[in-house]
Amino acid sequence: KAGVTQTPRYLIKTRGQQVTLSCSPISGHRSVSWYQQTPGQGLQFLFEYFSETQRNKGNFPGRFSGRQFSNSRSEMNVSTLELGDSALYLCASSLPGQGGGNIQYFGAGTRLSVL
Amino acid sequence: AQSVTQLGSHVSVSEGALVLLRCNYSSSVPPYLFWYVQYPNQGLQLLLKYTSAATLVKGINGFEAEFKKSETSFHLTKPSAHMSDAAEYFCAVRPGGGGNKLTFGTGTQLKVEL
Repeated sequence: KAGVTQTPRYLIKTRGQQVTLSCSPISGHRSVSWYQQTPGQGLQFLFEYFSETQRNKGNFPGRFSGRQFSNSRSEMNVSTLELGDSALYLCASSLPGQGGGNIQYFGAGTRLSVL
Repeated sequence: AQSVTQLGSHVSVSEGALVLLRCNYSSSVPPYLFWYVQYPNQGLQLLLKYTSAATLVKGINGFEAEFKKSETSFHLTKPSAHMSDAAEYFCAVRPGGGGNKLTFGTGTQLKVEL
């Protein structure tokens, strides 16, 4: 079974631009979560989507948004990029349901550099 | 709010020595706890999880962790370190309610020396 696929792997943008990152979950997984990883702030939760609805949201500005499609694929968008948005963006998928023991499987991430 | 604290941002051990990575959690409800490993330029891989079924949890690659409620700890151990264990390790907590949001610790970089 294929793992979580994130595209692109690397991205370079300039300040003020916008960017869209894509995540294809493991087949059968309907929950997709996004995390931002930076050396200074570590791993921080952005948001979670389940059945095309945002179920949880982290403490990020409105410039960060996401969506999920009917096939469970998800995209996140960052508008008006700032230097501080440079980070590794990780996507994770898990099986349906809200059981506490659900395992989240992570993709390799998209490394975004903002110049 | 749920949180985890990882003591020691860098740990260095000799190959064959015991690995001990520390994690303390803060939670007002029984938590679900996880240990993940991250190799350079890769995503996170689950090592093990605690979901209240057993306090001693065995994971992949010879790792295990013991949940100690009295100490609010969930330390990760491996009896004998291998060079391939060099990586960054993250402890994470998820509340027992709905959703899949994970709150991560700041990570511990493990170095294994010959």
